[in-house]
Formats: sequence, C-alpha cells, structure tokens
Amino acid sequence: NAGVTQTPKFRILKIGQSMTLQCTQDMNHNYMYWYRQDPGMGLKLIYYSVGAGITDKGEVPNGYNVSRSTTEDFPLRLELAAPSQTSVYFCASSRPAVSYEQYFGPGTRLTVT
Amino acid sequence: GIQVEQSPPDLILQEGANSTLRCNFSDSVNNLQWFHQNPWGQLINLFYIPSGTKQNGRLSATTVATERYSLLYISSSQTTDSGVYFCAVEEGSGGSNYKLTFGKGTLLTVNP
Repeated sequence: NAGVTQTPKFRILKIGQSMTLQCTQDMNHNYMYWYRQDPGMGLKLIYYSVGAGITDKGEVPNGYNVSRSTTEDFPLRLELAAPSQTSVYFCASSRPAVSYEQYFGPGTRLTVT
Repeated sequence: GIQVEQSPPDLILQEGANSTLRCNFSDSVNNLQWFHQNPWGQLINLFYIPSGTKQNGRLSATTVATERYSLLYISSSQTTDSGVYFCAVEEGSGGSNYKLTFGKGTLLTVNP
C-alpha cells in the first residue's frame, strides 16, 4: 500500500497561472479531503468529498475547485493563482465505517510569485 | 464554528524528560485526533480519542469530553519526538461529514 500520494512535491507559479494538484489513495477510502497549511498555523479545510461524484466546500474554498470521478483520485485545481495561495497543501483520506482516523499525504509546497 | 486552543505553543526539552500537551475545545466533539508533524512535514495520526485514555508506547492521551479538553503525554522524550503536535476535532454529535478543525499546534524541540 502506497497510502496517500501527492504530486508534485514542489511548484512555483506565477500570478494568474493555473495548476492541478494531484492526490491518489489506494486504501479504498470513500472520504477524501484537501487542507492548506500556512506558516505557524494549523490546517484549514478547503474541500472534501464523501465519495465519487460528491464534493463540498470546507472552510476556505475560494480560488479552488475539485472533482472526484473515481474513488482513488481527488485533484485540486487552482485557477488564476494569487500570492495568498502560497501554502503547503495536504490531501487526506478516511473510511469512517472502519475508522475515523484520517491519513495524510506528504504535501505539496506551492509558491505563487 | 468550534475553537481549538493548544498549549503551550512552544516547548523545549532535554532528551529523557516528560511532557504534557493540552488541547481545549469550545464545544462538544464527536471526534478528536492527535497528529505529529515531523520536521520534514509529514503528518502522522497518533490517536483517535474522543473520550477516555489510550496508550501507545511512550505516548498516551486522555480526553475529558465533559470538560472539553484533551492531554497528550510524552514520556522519556527522544530527539525523534521533535516536531509539531496538532489536536483536531469534529464538532457536534455527528453529521458533519467527519470534517476536522485543527488547533495551531505545539512545537516540540527535544535536545540531545
């Protein structure tokens, strides 16, 4: 089991560019989450999904979009990148029917200049 | 929404010392988890503990849900325990799709 994988590990974007952060899990988890972590802060929820085809907003969704076409994949799309989106992005997954614990990917460090 | 406060914000220990980290939350919770973020940024789940006490090796955790706090104990600390410890909660009695609200964390440094 690879667990939760994220690509890329690092990325530098110019203001106004777009990109997709990839997240894949191989644990057959139905719930998936995207968080961002700003320096010295805890994680804040951007979007989450309770299963393929179902997504919903978290605490800080503005400037982001998601889709969930398969159980395994949950990509996060940034449109028109802004400096305020400079952060570390974490994807997580869980299967509450078995365990409430969330399992995290290694993160993507994004800088927007 | 629910507020999560962790204390202390920073803690420096000598190897072998014991420590207690605290997490206070402002409302009833359905789910509480402790995470360790190592110096390379990886987040590891330590405990799922909405109430009661659990132990795993040198780490243990206690949550007193009625008084809205949780404690993480680290005994005989090692340099590999360094990193940030986060408390995260899901408020209410369920139905929130297991969304977690994180505290700001406690930065632990264990010196050799």
